[in-house]
Amino acid sequence: AQKITQTQPGMFVQEKEAVTLDCTYDTSDPSYGLFWYKQPSSGEMIFLIYQGSYDQQNATEGRYSLNFQKARKSANLVISASQLGDSAMYFCAMRGSGNTGKLIFGQGTTLQVKP
Amino acid sequence: DARVTQTPRHKVTEMGQEVTMRCQPILGHNTVFWYRQTMMQGLELLAYFRNRAPLDDSGMPKDRFSAEMPDATLATLKIQPSEPRDSAVYFCATTRAGGSWETQYFGPGTRLLVL
Repeated sequence: AQKITQTQPGMFVQEKEAVTLDCTYDTSDPSYGLFWYKQPSSGEMIFLIYQGSYDQQNATEGRYSLNFQKARKSANLVISASQLGDSAMYFCAMRGSGNTGKLIFGQGTTLQVKP
Repeated sequence: DARVTQTPRHKVTEMGQEVTMRCQPILGHNTVFWYRQTMMQGLELLAYFRNRAPLDDSGMPKDRFSAEMPDATLATLKIQPSEPRDSAVYFCATTRAGGSWETQYFGPGTRLLVL
């Protein structure tokens, strides 16, 4: 069975500093995708970044990068130069290679950016 | 700016009443997912459709929940009769099968409160 684990319920970071949000996963699928979503207090779910299991390079999207360590089954999100608007809940999710399209979500990490 | 649309955004109803939530996928997206988010359970997949056909509704209580996709531009999730434990945020997410790891884009959600 597939599983996503986010072990940090809450994190604080000083504005302009970098922060890493942890995500580990478990799957027996040889091919899978990993996603990060942001949920601000307004409640919407915003897609941030994804990494395919066969991608050779770590994904990057602006200030977001995904530190993908396949052997350790981790897909940590790195946010550089934190901004106050980054304060939100962050979810890690995984999609398996089966034709289901389903995403399995972690429990989320709440990030607070301090001025 | 293509977005997933959901209506209503908020719904307060009394136990026993019927609730219908609607979702308009991004144009060209042929796969629609319904998720429910609660504090206790996090994000759970209820059901999903591809090309308007239901593929999986195993996460949905069958006795009171029903999901349909009457046409390519409308997906509905209905609860009849509603119960207080159905209070949650219901998200619709859509994607295009075969697209880049089928990234799912979420609507703003329907916040449901059943009294």
